[in-house]
Amino acid sequence: AQSVTQLDSQVPVFEEAPVELRCNYSSSVSVYLFWYVQYPNQGLQLLLKYLSGSTLVESINGFEAEFNKSQTSFHLRKPSVHISDTAEYFCAVSDPGTGGFKTIFGAGTRLFVKA
Amino acid sequence: KAGVTQTPRYLIKTRGQQVTLSCSPISGHRSVSWYQQTPGQGLQFLFEYFSETQRNKGNFPGRFSGRQFSNSRSEMNVSTLELGDSALYLCASSLPGSYNEQFFGPGTRLTVL
Repeated sequence: AQSVTQLDSQVPVFEEAPVELRCNYSSSVSVYLFWYVQYPNQGLQLLLKYLSGSTLVESINGFEAEFNKSQTSFHLRKPSVHISDTAEYFCAVSDPGTGGFKTIFGAGTRLFVKA
Repeated sequence: KAGVTQTPRYLIKTRGQQVTLSCSPISGHRSVSWYQQTPGQGLQFLFEYFSETQRNKGNFPGRFSGRQFSNSRSEMNVSTLELGDSALYLCASSLPGSYNEQFFGPGTRLTVL
């Protein structure tokens, strides 16, 4: 069965510094990858996704993630973070199965941006 | 297009009671999934409904149940509430063919006293 590992439970970083949130998934023939963000007291929102094509995908607010098949990773990066990026970030993999696609989420990484 | 809505947003119950939570998916979305989110366990998958049928199920006791109506709206029910059921319950909907890209509602915060 698929699994998703987010290697860091918390990442503190200063404003305007770069950040990388790490995500590894267990191997599968076909894999569809997502990053979701959850701001306090809200549901999750899709940040970006990899379905096929270019291995580098970007969001509208400056985040990017690279699908690396050989390392089974989908790390999230931002070159310069803002206070408003403080949130919890979830990596997820959508796994095709006999009962339709099933989404498996990682445990989440809490990003805390300090002034 | 309206997003996923969940009602109520907050709920306080006592042990032994039962509760029903409601979720209205985005128009056209036929798949609805439910998750339980707690600080200790993170996001845990409860079940998924598609066209009024339960298609996937997580590892929760039978006290947790759900259903989906013909208009794709979904409800989940928890009977004989326990203190450990206190959590944020999230509903998400998705379109067929979208590789299960999920659109989440704001959640229902359930507190069991």
